[in-house]
Amino acid sequence: AQSVTQLDSHVSVSEGTPVLLRCNYSSSYSPSLFWYVQHPNKGLQLLLKYTSAATLVKGINGFEAEFKKSETSFHLTKPSAHMSDAAEYFCVVSDQGGANNLFFGTGTRLTVIP
Amino acid sequence: DAGITQSPRYKITETGRQVTLMCHQTWSHSYMFWYRQDLGHGLRLIYYSAAADITDKGEVPDGYVVSRSKTENFPLTLESATRSQTSVYFCASSLLGTYNEQFFGPGTRLTVL
Repeated sequence: AQSVTQLDSHVSVSEGTPVLLRCNYSSSYSPSLFWYVQHPNKGLQLLLKYTSAATLVKGINGFEAEFKKSETSFHLTKPSAHMSDAAEYFCVVSDQGGANNLFFGTGTRLTVIP
Repeated sequence: DAGITQSPRYKITETGRQVTLMCHQTWSHSYMFWYRQDLGHGLRLIYYSAAADITDKGEVPDGYVVSRSKTENFPLTLESATRSQTSVYFCASSLLGTYNEQFFGPGTRLTVL
């Protein structure tokens, strides 16, 4: 069985401070992991993905995530938040391929305070 | 270079009516997907298609019908709309499948009264 848990439904940070969005997964295999961002009234956009290459993955807009197999985690970070980062973020796990083995977390809403 | 488009963007209908949501992509991606997004559930897969004329059920297919006669189009039909189908619907496409990036449309907000 597999699942993905986003540990915080809402995170609030001040502009210029670090961002940490937490994601834990369970998988019986070596999964592919993704982070997507959704701005208001928009579709989802890929931030980054892990597919068993380097464990530290760099994405767009200064975001990165580290795959930690021992902790079954794939947390998303950014050193310095920008106002434009305010959005909903989804952690997604794909296990064994196939559309029915793709699971979305329930999302973390990031608020950036000026 | 429209990418992936959905129409309509907003739709209000009544219980029992048939509604079709359209999805069109210009990349010739093999895979296409329909999701619904509801508070507290993230995105849930309704149906997907690996190629023209090949479709399969996702997590929540009941009450929905899809077809894919052409690679670029993947319409989703609610045969008899119910209030529980009020949601935001997203179409997505992917070149090779779920190990690869999915590209999402802007969504259709459907309200069933």
